Amino acid sequence: QKEVEQNSGPLSVPEGAIASLNCTYSDRVSQSFFWYRQYSGKSPELIMSIYSNGDKEDGRFTAQLNKASQYVSLLIRDSQPSDSATYLCAPSKGGGNKLTFGTGTQLKVEL
Amino acid sequence: DAGITQSPRHKVTETGTPVTLRCHQTENHRYMYWYRQDPGHGLRLIHYSYGVKDTDKGEVSDGYSVSRSKTEDFLLTLESATSSQTSVYFCAISTRGETEAFFGQGTRLTVV
Repeated sequence: QKEVEQNSGPLSVPEGAIASLNCTYSDRVSQSFFWYRQYSGKSPELIMSIYSNGDKEDGRFTAQLNKASQYVSLLIRDSQPSDSATYLCAPSKGGGNKLTFGTGTQLKVEL
Repeated sequence: DAGITQSPRHKVTETGTPVTLRCHQTENHRYMYWYRQDPGHGLRLIHYSYGVKDTDKGEVSDGYSVSRSKTEDFLLTLESATSSQTSVYFCAISTRGETEAFFGQGTRLTVV
């Protein structure tokens, strides 16, 4: 079992729709959770961080965390073509913030 | 912009040669990391550093060494490059109370 599981996609959504990206993790000691966006040929860009159970909203992005279920998700509202990228889920075990990455979900927002 | 610069950005080298990649930061952060990214594997931690001369191994450290003699520089050395080390290498730093991590532009290394 991989430490971090993400559906590789591609996940295709129409412009203006809500994109829902999911991630499960196996290590219960994970304390902090991060979502990165990576455009093709570019470096990962931090878009959301979440540290406690529940929802965290930032603009069009909402991160959801359920530590009991070892599940974290990212919702993107009003999806735009510029949101087309690979989204990486990364739990951290704390103590220096060593991240374990999933392989990412490719999102395609279609006109 | 987290003030991270990686050099070189691209490099082609021959099997068996040593290679050093440099990561430079301008903001005096304590934690620095080297990751590699390969299709099907995602980003994997190679080595990390908690401060000057304080380094430790990550998930895929075999064939790699690191050094940190100054806070601002974290060097990754491939002691004898192999084709399996062809990859994109990313440096990262932790900011904001050592929680959030930000990445450099990456170095594309090809070993032929």
